[in-house]
Amino acid sequence: AQKVTQAQTEISVVEKEDVTLDCVYETRDTTYYLFWYKQPPSGELVFLIRRNSFDEQNEISGRYSWNFQKSTSSFNFTITASQVVDSAVYFCALSEANTGFQKLVFGTGTRLLVSP
Amino acid sequence: ETGVTQSPTHLIKTRGQQVTLRCSSQSGHNTVSWYQQALGQGPQFIFQYYREEENGRGNFPPRFSGLQFPNYSSELNVNALELDDSALYLCASSSRTGFTDTQYFGPGTRLTVL
Repeated sequence: AQKVTQAQTEISVVEKEDVTLDCVYETRDTTYYLFWYKQPPSGELVFLIRRNSFDEQNEISGRYSWNFQKSTSSFNFTITASQVVDSAVYFCALSEANTGFQKLVFGTGTRLLVSP
Repeated sequence: ETGVTQSPTHLIKTRGQQVTLRCSSQSGHNTVSWYQQALGQGPQFIFQYYREEENGRGNFPPRFSGLQFPNYSSELNVNALELDDSALYLCASSSRTGFTDTQYFGPGTRLTVL
């Protein structure tokens, strides 16, 4: 069965600190996709990144970076030099390729609070 | 912004009533998925529509039903509302060119059942 675990319920940092959000997943499929979404207080889920199971290269986009390690089933997200606007709930999600349809399985989310 | 719109923004119903939520997908997208997000939880997959047919469903009872129209917009219907149905309902659209497609979410409809 698919499962995504985000063990950090809430993280508080001061602006300009670096912060890493952890994500551990479980799947029996060899082909799958991992995602990160941001949910600001407005409620809309904002897509950040998609990564497939065959691409373990780390990715950097501005202040954001992602570390995908199949050996530990982890897909961690780091924000460098955090800003107040980064305050939101962040969700990691998993999608398997063998179900015949696109179903996202989400973790419970990590609330990030960045104070000035 | 994703171009996915949902209506209404907020809704208050009483137990036992029926509700219809609406979603317009992003231009060029032919697949719509619905999720329920209870307070403090991650979204839970309800079902997905492709070419006007339900092609996947999560662990939700039959009183949750849906429709997809020729223009790819969609409705979520919930009958016999229960208190536990209070949640944020999110619609996501994607382009079904495979299983790699990213789902883009709308702003959600917050349903309160009293």
